[in-house]
Amino acid sequence: GAVVSQHPSRVICKSGTSVKIECRSLDFQATTMFWYRQFPKQSLMLMATSNEGSKATYEQGVEKDKFLINHASLTLSTLTVTSAHPEDSSFYICSASDAGGYGNTIYFGEGSWLTVV
Amino acid sequence: GENVEQHPSTLSVQEGDSAVIKCTYSDSASNYFPWYKQELGKGPQLIIDIRSNVGEKKDQRIAVTLNKTAKHFSLHITETQPEDSAVYFCAVRNYGQNFVFGPGTRLSVLP
Repeated sequence: GAVVSQHPSRVICKSGTSVKIECRSLDFQATTMFWYRQFPKQSLMLMATSNEGSKATYEQGVEKDKFLINHASLTLSTLTVTSAHPEDSSFYICSASDAGGYGNTIYFGEGSWLTVV
Repeated sequence: GENVEQHPSTLSVQEGDSAVIKCTYSDSASNYFPWYKQELGKGPQLIIDIRSNVGEKKDQRIAVTLNKTAKHFSLHITETQPEDSAVYFCAVRNYGQNFVFGPGTRLSVLP
């Protein structure tokens, strides 16, 4: 299947700082990428959908100014957690789809563990 | 919006036995139904999927069956092995909409 790479896999940052997570589709062009957050023993919670070259669409309750998403190319999307706080500590996962995002399946990255201290 | 339920939430089977996980959904227009396996600390991995024009699909020890009338689909794992132990998520998508995931099933295969 298609490969989606996410980096870093683990990151620790100080409270108040910003951290960037990258999501790359390695062997296909991802017109749409999705960002999820997952709490322990829970399902995936969609945070936002990003389409290449346009602004991301955020789910209700997700602060767009706190979770900045950029999808500048067909193979890269980034999630920046700004002014991070301990409650932002979580497992963040991206996924990517070709064919416009809604006409095909999605493949997930390996996830990024964020710990804010 | 779409509502996806998944049962059971936990499942323990003896190695070699079969495991079945069921998902029900609410939107009759949904047309794509993948299953993902998530191991601890990793991202979900697509293991099998089925589209609405197919009733059953099989890939070695894994199969998925779909009942569109009843709006449910099931994951079947035969001859389970310890490495099958993971959390399994079903997902549902209506063309043009995002995926909606089930709450997950924690499968434990006991040696």
